[in-house]
Amino acid sequence: EAQVTQNPRYLITVTGKKLTVTCSQNMNHEYMSWYRQDPGLGLRQIYYSMNVEVTDKGDVPEGYKVSRKEKRNFPLILESPSPNQTSLYFCASSFSGGQGAYEQYFGPGTRLTVT
Amino acid sequence: SQQGEEDPQALSIQEGENATMNCSYKTSINNLQWYRQNSGRGLVHLILIRSNEREKHSGRLRVTLDTSKKSSSLLITASRAADTASYFCATDAEGAQKLVFGQGTRLTINP
Repeated sequence: EAQVTQNPRYLITVTGKKLTVTCSQNMNHEYMSWYRQDPGLGLRQIYYSMNVEVTDKGDVPEGYKVSRKEKRNFPLILESPSPNQTSLYFCASSFSGGQGAYEQYFGPGTRLTVT
Repeated sequence: SQQGEEDPQALSIQEGENATMNCSYKTSINNLQWYRQNSGRGLVHLILIRSNEREKHSGRLRVTLDTSKKSSSLLITASRAADTASYFCATDAEGAQKLVFGQGTRLTINP
């Protein structure tokens, strides 16, 4: 089954404790992206990757890191989480190339609370 | 930054009625997409319409695109309780892969 998986689904942590949210897709997609969703602000892109070893900042990259060492995986790293990073996080993937964005497949989401 | 903005923010209708949601954006696009999100879950792609298309259908969904007005509409016909969800439009910029999402329309179908 074609899917994007994220782990963990729920996480409560404390300020400053490094964490990683994993994302994996099995569709051989080149493009992968992380979003955060907050009430009243919609979905905002954090980082994206056009292919292996190619990553770039989205609209709200501060406080986050990513890596793309393998095509299927795109982990999101919070080196020193703060309460303003409490949010619902989504990973998404799609094919790339050609003109315009393709249909994106979303993971189930990770609800992060930083106290 | 370029952004799709949905209107209305919330819509409540009776089961069986049609639901129409609108999206406006700011700059030229390659395509516009609509997604659905059930509460707290991942977004699900509904339909993609290219900038050279004016209308597209998929089951009970009908999407229109007016590039001169930089707007799109999503029509759901014969609504069902299961259509209760948030609906987002997403646009790309010409030559880009990045999607920018609007804030969504919260649709409630009353039985």
